[in-house]
Amino acid sequence: TQLLEQSPQFLSIQEGENLTVYCNSSSVFSSLQWYRQEPGEGPVLLVTVVTGGEVKKLKRLTFQFGDARKDSSLHITAAQPGDTGLYLCAGARRAGGGADGLTFGKGTHLIIQP
Amino acid sequence: GAVVSQHPSWVICKSGTSVKIECRSLDFQATTMFWYRQFPKQSLMLMATSNEGSKATYEQGVEKDKFLINHASLTLSTLTVTSAHPEDSSFYICSANLAAKPHEQYFGPGTRLTVT
Repeated sequence: TQLLEQSPQFLSIQEGENLTVYCNSSSVFSSLQWYRQEPGEGPVLLVTVVTGGEVKKLKRLTFQFGDARKDSSLHITAAQPGDTGLYLCAGARRAGGGADGLTFGKGTHLIIQP
Repeated sequence: GAVVSQHPSWVICKSGTSVKIECRSLDFQATTMFWYRQFPKQSLMLMATSNEGSKATYEQGVEKDKFLINHASLTLSTLTVTSAHPEDSSFYICSANLAAKPHEQYFGPGTRLTVT
């Protein structure tokens, strides 16, 4: 069974601060996705990283895939109250372009206080 | 693009009855869809992979006779929870991916099932 350890589980910081969320595993994933989920709704895809060492930026969010494709991080710069939510990392097992179910981390509950 | 819908958004049923949940890809065709379950304060757990025109593939520990999956067309997969019990109460979410982007999954809004 492939597991994704996500940390921290809970994080409450002040507006304007920076933060990093980590997603680690002992297994290799063909790709890794980051989602944001609001209460009572389905997850919304933020980014997909596929190549080891890949870095992607989405405004104030920076996503990185580890060189060995076993870990990933999400860094938010100058956090804003609108960033409050549940952030989930998820890994796909299958390589070669085939669709595969995702293994999810437990999520990080992020609260940005104004 | 890549919009996935679910119906119903919530349902309450009595113990022992069956409930059907629909998952539709609105603006694309999906040969593969996925069903997840999310209990309160927990993350999503993959239940099964739904394959158009063939049998679903279930994850370990998920009873295929209890959670019936039918993927009759390229835009519709259904999950039927048979003989539901209170412990089946959960948030059921489906997802699908674009053929051109197999690594990216798009999720439906979820269905809240409460079994009384």
